[in-house]
Amino acid sequence: AQSVSQHNHHVILSEAASLELGCNYSYGGTVNLFWYVQYPGQHLQLLLKYFSGDPLVKGIKGFEAEFIKSKFSFNLRKPSVQWSDTAEYFCAVNLKFMNSGGYQKVTFGTGTKLQVIP
Amino acid sequence: EPEVTQTPSHQVTQMGQEVILRCVPISNHLYFYWYRQILGQKVEFLVSFYNNEISEKSEIFDDQFSVERPDGSNFTLKIRSTKLEDSAMYFCASSSTNQGPTNEKLFFGSGTQLSVL
Repeated sequence: AQSVSQHNHHVILSEAASLELGCNYSYGGTVNLFWYVQYPGQHLQLLLKYFSGDPLVKGIKGFEAEFIKSKFSFNLRKPSVQWSDTAEYFCAVNLKFMNSGGYQKVTFGTGTKLQVIP
Repeated sequence: EPEVTQTPSHQVTQMGQEVILRCVPISNHLYFYWYRQILGQKVEFLVSFYNNEISEKSEIFDDQFSVERPDGSNFTLKIRSTKLEDSAMYFCASSSTNQGPTNEKLFFGSGTQLSVL
């Protein structure tokens, strides 16, 4: 079964520090990869996604992630965090269902709580 | 951007009671999902629903759970006899694709916090 591992459960950074959140998945086939963010009191929102092509994907609010197939990784990065980035970040994997008609089954990691100190 | 709406935002119920969580997916979407997140744990897939039937369900989705799309706009999750361990945030989601493999994203609702006492 596919699984997603996020190694950092709680990260505390000062504003302007650089961020890298690790994500590894276990599945040998073709995958779609996502990072979702959940701001305090809000619902899950898509931050960025990788389906194919350039393994370096850019998302909203200055976030980017790099897909390294050989390492089964999809780490999230931001060069300079802001206080408003305080949130919980979830890595997620979706198997590409070739024959099932298109529904999605997304497996989420356990999440990383990011706290940015002003 | 279109939104998935969920009501209520917070539901408190007594153990053993039936509860219905309601969702209005995005209007032209075809696939509907329920996920849940127990406090401090990861978001877990419960069920996917397409063409008026369940496409897939997880082992969490036992006989106490059911889903329904009663009127073409609402998508409900019913828990027949709630247990303490059902306390969680329940997220509804929808997606639009009708071709596989999908490239669409999931649109999530804001969640219903279910507290079973």
